[in-house]
Amino acid sequence: DTEVTQTPKHLVMGMTNKKSLKCEQHMGHRAMYWYKQKAKKPPELMFVYSYEKLSINESVPSRFSPECPNSSLLNLHLHALQPEDSALYLCASSSLFGDQPQHFGDGTRLSIL
Amino acid sequence: GESVGLHLPTLSVQEGDNSIINCAYSNSASDYFIWYKQESGKGPQFIIDIRSNMDKRQGQRVTVLLNKTVKHLSLQIAATQPGDSAVYFCAETYTGNQFYFGTGTSLTVIP
Repeated sequence: DTEVTQTPKHLVMGMTNKKSLKCEQHMGHRAMYWYKQKAKKPPELMFVYSYEKLSINESVPSRFSPECPNSSLLNLHLHALQPEDSALYLCASSSLFGDQPQHFGDGTRLSIL
Repeated sequence: GESVGLHLPTLSVQEGDNSIINCAYSNSASDYFIWYKQESGKGPQFIIDIRSNMDKRQGQRVTVLLNKTVKHLSLQIAATQPGDSAVYFCAETYTGNQFYFGTGTSLTVIP
């Protein structure tokens, strides 16, 4: 079982819907990440939070809105998505001290109709 | 017609043989590298890491080699097993929290 939990596992939504993806970790990590992964491609970094503050935004369209309510939770709010946004969305966390690997959840499979 | 675009590199090995998966990284300033294994329907799983002040690191059945001169990373898996079948990604960083993934290699182990 993964130590990073993502919900829901699958999500189908229309282009006018608003939905949110959720991520939770209890490893005491103070860095959390969102990645987007298309089929047969590597994960692409979207956002990085350090100490609950957004530190990196990789030029992600504003229809994706991240939120970090506390050190254990990370959300990704979705609004007016396009069909090309269909992908696997991965959450990860890591320690901020020294070189540390990221721990990934199993992702949310998102389909935009 | 024929599809156009990048294809995921593939590697097929017989069960019990050794596997070598290669990765060319892009940033000469990168100083920390990780290998991940991703099984179908799962997120990437940490296998082994290496810092730029090392050129080799060994784990259980896995070895990572780093050649900074040519910006090349490799993952060696000893006595490959069917459970090793997955996609393997290398990842690099120079900031410590901004990781970039390589293309990936799909490993298939033939029983």
